[in-house]
Amino acid sequence: AQSVTQLDSHVSVSEGTPVLLRCNYSSSYSPSLFWYVQHPNKGLQLLLKYTSAATLVKGINGFEAEFKKSETSFHLTKPSAHMSDAAEYFCVVTESSSYKLIFGSGTRLLVRP
Amino acid sequence: NAGVTQTPKFRILKIGQSMTLQCTQDMNHNYMYWYRQDPGMGLKLIYYSVGAGITDKGEVPNGYNVSRSTTEDFPLRLELAAPSQTSVYFCASSYSSGQETQYFGPGTRLLVL
Repeated sequence: AQSVTQLDSHVSVSEGTPVLLRCNYSSSYSPSLFWYVQHPNKGLQLLLKYTSAATLVKGINGFEAEFKKSETSFHLTKPSAHMSDAAEYFCVVTESSSYKLIFGSGTRLLVRP
Repeated sequence: NAGVTQTPKFRILKIGQSMTLQCTQDMNHNYMYWYRQDPGMGLKLIYYSVGAGITDKGEVPNGYNVSRSTTEDFPLRLELAAPSQTSVYFCASSYSSGQETQYFGPGTRLLVL
């Protein structure tokens, strides 16, 4: 069975410092992995996705994530946080032929001025 | 190109009342989905559709019904509202399954009292 664990429910960083949001997954088959961002009272927006091509995936707004099969991880990083990055971030896993997205419980990113 | 639109944005229902949450997409996507998001949780799939006239249950279908008479529209019906259905409801669409990005609407916040 597939599952996703986001290791931190809240992460707080200062503006201009690096961001690390951690995600571990469990999947029986070759997974597709996504990071979505949700700003307050908004819908979800895709940040980036991994679909068995390059293991280092670059997304929008300077975010990137690295797929590490040996560690079953897909951590999200950004070199320098901006105030506008404050939001909820969801790690999501699915199998290549499946309609079903499995969501993590989310990590709320707070950015201090 | 509006993407995925949902109405209403917010609604208060009394226990036992019924209502329909509307969802429309203008991207000619075959797949459409309804999710619910409870506080502090990721999204859970209620129903999905792979094309007009075809619908199927997701993880948490009890208390809901759907129909898909056109490619564009995918309404979600609550027949007898219960407090447990207080949640934020998101509609999404994608061209196909698996690796394809799901595009989300802005959500409908429902409060059942």
